[in-house]
Amino acid sequence: ETGVTQTPRHLVMGMTNKKSLKCEQHLGHNAMYWYKQSAKKPLELMFVYNFKEQTENNSVPSRFSPECPNSSHLFLHLHTLQPEDSALYLCASSQEPGGVDTQYFGPGTRLTVL
Amino acid sequence: GNSVTQMEGPVTLSEEAFLTINCTYTATGYPSLFWYVQYPGEGLQLLLKATKADDKGSNKGFEATYRKETTSFHLEKGSVQVSDSAVYFCALSLANQAGTALIFGKGTTLSVSS
Repeated sequence: ETGVTQTPRHLVMGMTNKKSLKCEQHLGHNAMYWYKQSAKKPLELMFVYNFKEQTENNSVPSRFSPECPNSSHLFLHLHTLQPEDSALYLCASSQEPGGVDTQYFGPGTRLTVL
Repeated sequence: GNSVTQMEGPVTLSEEAFLTINCTYTATGYPSLFWYVQYPGEGLQLLLKATKADDKGSNKGFEATYRKETTSFHLEKGSVQVSDSAVYFCALSLANQAGTALIFGKGTTLSVSS
């Protein structure tokens, strides 16, 4: 399997549930990212990881908790979410976190919070 | 601050029509500029990029030229196809010590009919 994969593709959860989103990249990249894509708004960067270390947290609420056990895997743990958190969550990776390196995106997880 | 502004969509064209999607940016320093495309149900894919002033990025018949004097990176295609129907995102990237990520515009939806 190549590229960036994300599971699940769709997720419906209640506000009291705990769930996790998974991202895996098969490109040998060192940097991984979580973005949030909401309707009518630009993509919002959430987190950046470089060599498993978090290098950027874009003022994301603590109900979103990322985890990067190795440079190929990235998780986003979700708990006590709000309906306004419903969005498409995109994972991306790049060779290095800075400069002009192309970011490769997964297909996203469509999250609905009831 | 750094930002990207795209023309509002949707853009509706007939097959073989000429396409222009405007993009302007505000940035401190000298950004790299990108166009990403998102087909229905998929993640974002890099369409083309330019890393310095006067560079022209091109791919699949699409072109965009990095214009520093007008801070613009307009996307053009001479003859669109139905398969070009998608959402197009203009983005910029600025490297910094903590790493970097893309700053996106809101996206422009293109719909091409036969």
